[in-house]
This record gives sequence, C-alpha cells and structure tokens, in this order.
Amino acid sequence: NAGVTQTPKFQVLKTGQSMTLQCAQDMNHEYMSWYRQDPGMGLRLIHYSVGAGITDQGEVPNGYNVSRSTTEDFPLRLLSAAPSQTSVYFCASSSGYEQYFGPGTRLTVT
Amino acid sequence: GDSVTQMEGPVTLSEEAFLTINCTYTATGYPSLFWYVQYPGEGLQLLLKATKADDKGSNKGFEATYRKETTSFHLEKGSVQVSDSAVYFCALYTGGFKTIFGAGTRLFVKA
Repeated sequence: NAGVTQTPKFQVLKTGQSMTLQCAQDMNHEYMSWYRQDPGMGLRLIHYSVGAGITDQGEVPNGYNVSRSTTEDFPLRLLSAAPSQTSVYFCASSSGYEQYFGPGTRLTVT
Repeated sequence: GDSVTQMEGPVTLSEEAFLTINCTYTATGYPSLFWYVQYPGEGLQLLLKATKADDKGSNKGFEATYRKETTSFHLEKGSVQVSDSAVYFCALYTGGFKTIFGAGTRLFVKA
C-alpha cells in the first residue's frame, strides 16, 4: 500500500520554466490538496479537489494550475516559475478528518 | 474565520525533559483537533486527535486534552527522547474536508 506518492523529490528550475509536480494516491480518497511549506509560515493551501472533475482555489493559488481527471491523480502545474515559488510542496489526500501526506517535493527556482 | 495559533519555536530540551507545546484555536463550530508531526525530510503524519470537548488524545507518550473553555489543545510529553526531534503542527477540522494548520513548532532534543 503506497499511500500518497509524489514525484520528483527534488527539482531545480530557471525563472520562466514550467513544470508539473505529480501526486497519486491509492486509498480511493475523494479529497486531495496541495500545500506549500515555507520557513516560519507553516502550511499554506494552494488548490484542492473534492472529487474527480472538481477543483477549487486555496489561499495561495496564483501561478499554479491543477486538474483532477481521476480519483487517483492530482497534478500541480507551475505555469511560469518564479523565485517566490521556491518551497517544499506537499500533496495530501483524505476521506474525512485525517489527512495523509506525501513525502514532498523540494523545488528551487533560480 | 477559523484559525490555529501555536507557540513559536524552536524549543530545545534535554533528553528526558518534560515537553509542552501550546496551541489555541478560534472556530465558529465544534471542531475536531489534531496534532501532526513532521520528521526531517518527510511529510506530516497524524500524531493524535480529539473530536469533542474534554477528550484526551494520546499516542507514543504524547497527550493533548481538548479544552473548550480555554479553546486550547496543548501537546505534552513527560520524557522526551532524541527521536522526538521534529516539527509539530496543531490543526483543526470543522468539516468539508478542509484542515487548518498552525505554523508549526520545531523541537530539538539534545542527548
């Protein structure tokens, strides 16, 4: 049982490049979300989804896109990377109150 | 809106010391309360939970009691170990699949 998986684990981008962070879960959870974690700021919600085909914005959505074509997958797209997007990104899934987190992707934008 | 406030870190303790990490919350409904732990290089994982007032959550020697009168959910452990070094997040859930997290408190335990 893999739980929540994220790829890649590390990524370095140049300003203006685009990329997709992958997230998958095998627990058949309806709810999935993306957070970014910055020093001293805890976790901030970027986007979330309550089921396939349904997504919504969190508190810091600018510069990011998501889609949810299947229950299992919830990719996060950076459209044009900026240094302010340097962070650690976590994907999480849930079927109720407990959230299950992936191991994170450490992204550096130079 | 709903929010969680927890004490700033880092907290540095010697092994076998007593730990308290304070957490208070603001919520309009009747939230469930949680502590999550993040070990170095990993994602968050649920440590303990309490779903109603006066409930005590416990796991791995950690405890927290849901105090509605003081809107608090302080995390305690009687004797910390080096392996407890991590970042601890207080969180609340009021339904609708969304969880609100505190800023996190980093704990260092010295041998």
